[in-house]
Amino acid sequence: AAGVIQSPRHLIKEKRETATLKCYPIPRHDTVYWYQQGPGQDPQFLISFYEKMQSDKGSIPDRFSAQQFSDYHSELNMSSLELGDSALYFCASSFSRGGRSTDTQYFGPGTRLTVL
Amino acid sequence: DAKTTQPPSMDCAEGRAANLPCNHSTISGNEYVYWYRQIHSQGPQYIIHGLKNNETNEMASLIITEDRKSSTLILPHATLRDTAVYYCIPWVSGSARQLTFGSGTQLTVLP
Repeated sequence: AAGVIQSPRHLIKEKRETATLKCYPIPRHDTVYWYQQGPGQDPQFLISFYEKMQSDKGSIPDRFSAQQFSDYHSELNMSSLELGDSALYFCASSFSRGGRSTDTQYFGPGTRLTVL
Repeated sequence: DAKTTQPPSMDCAEGRAANLPCNHSTISGNEYVYWYRQIHSQGPQYIIHGLKNNETNEMASLIITEDRKSSTLILPHATLRDTAVYYCIPWVSGSARQLTFGSGTQLTVLP
């Protein structure tokens, strides 16, 4: 079965640079979620989108922005990168009906971002 | 959101059943109990979920107490590949909301 695809899988950036992470949800899934997992920590929710509209927002820094496109893929844009942004970034997708998710969130393999 | 309590770590012998408990005494009536696991640095993997009744799928069984204040995830024949952090997460189905990961239980399956 098709799974959530994330690219790139690994990314190395310098401080103050920008990074863009991409997420391709499972086919027919219309809701995308982004999570951040720092070293030794549990995944923390950043932001979610349903039908290209922001659905929920967590502890996402103002330096980060995200959007969902017409084909339902999503991109997480990170600017002015800091050392503390080094983490695993997971995308999850689910199928929602009328904006209310009726299905389970399935996670991608993640993008490991290293900021030097 | 309901708070959960899970033991920080557990060991299990390979081939034996692994029983992972979770206390969620503040769970609300419309919250399901979801279980995910995360094998080191991989994406969290959905295992099973339930509302009131016990559930079983190809991966595991979920036993929910009648008062819904606790549940147990059962891996019937643990293998080394089941070594992971297991998370119990109450979640309102139909909410499109975030999953809130607690500390989870580090299950180590021993040969």
